Amino acid sequence: AQTVTQSQPEMSVQEAETVTLSCTYDTSESDYYLFWYKQPPSRQMILVIRQEAYKQQNATENRFSVNFQKAAKSFSLKISDSQLGDAAMYFCAYRSGGDSNYQLIWGAGTKLIIKP
Amino acid sequence: DTEVTQTPKHLVMGMTNKKSLKCEQHMGHRAMYWYKQKAKKPPELMFVYSYEKLSINESVPSRFSPECPNSSLLNLHLHALQPEDSALYLCASSRGTVYEQYFGPGTRLTVT
Repeated sequence: AQTVTQSQPEMSVQEAETVTLSCTYDTSESDYYLFWYKQPPSRQMILVIRQEAYKQQNATENRFSVNFQKAAKSFSLKISDSQLGDAAMYFCAYRSGGDSNYQLIWGAGTKLIIKP
Repeated sequence: DTEVTQTPKHLVMGMTNKKSLKCEQHMGHRAMYWYKQKAKKPPELMFVYSYEKLSINESVPSRFSPECPNSSLLNLHLHALQPEDSALYLCASSRGTVYEQYFGPGTRLTVT
């Protein structure tokens, strides 16, 4: 069975600085997808970034980028120029490839605090 | 537009009440999901609808009853809930079950 581990329950960063959230996963599959979701205190779960396992290039979305190390089964999220609005719970999630694989396997989450 | 809407935002109900949660999306997505989320925990999948047919029921108690009247709407009917059912209920949708999911803002449910 696949598992996702986020080893940092809480992280804090000074506004405008860079922070990296870690995520590791365990799988024997070769076809899968990885996601980072953000859940601010407003509760809405927001998709931040997505990575296909078959792509070597790391995904980026504006200030958010990932470091995808397939061999090490690591999928960290880097947030550059941190802003107060980045304060949230961040969840890493895994999904197997294939038409019938709907299930997201979630990490426990990392609470990110932004210090002004 | 990646908007999923949910109503109501908050709901307080007694253990003998019957209520419904509503979810709506107009992105043409063909898969819709219900999740239950406890504080500081990741979401737990409850139900999956694919092309308006219930494809997954993750052993959810029968006091939760999903309904998909059409491809844009998803309801969750609640009856005889227990206090431990108090949680944030999230709806999500995706183009198909293989695509990324987009979440609504959730309904905060309190059972008294």
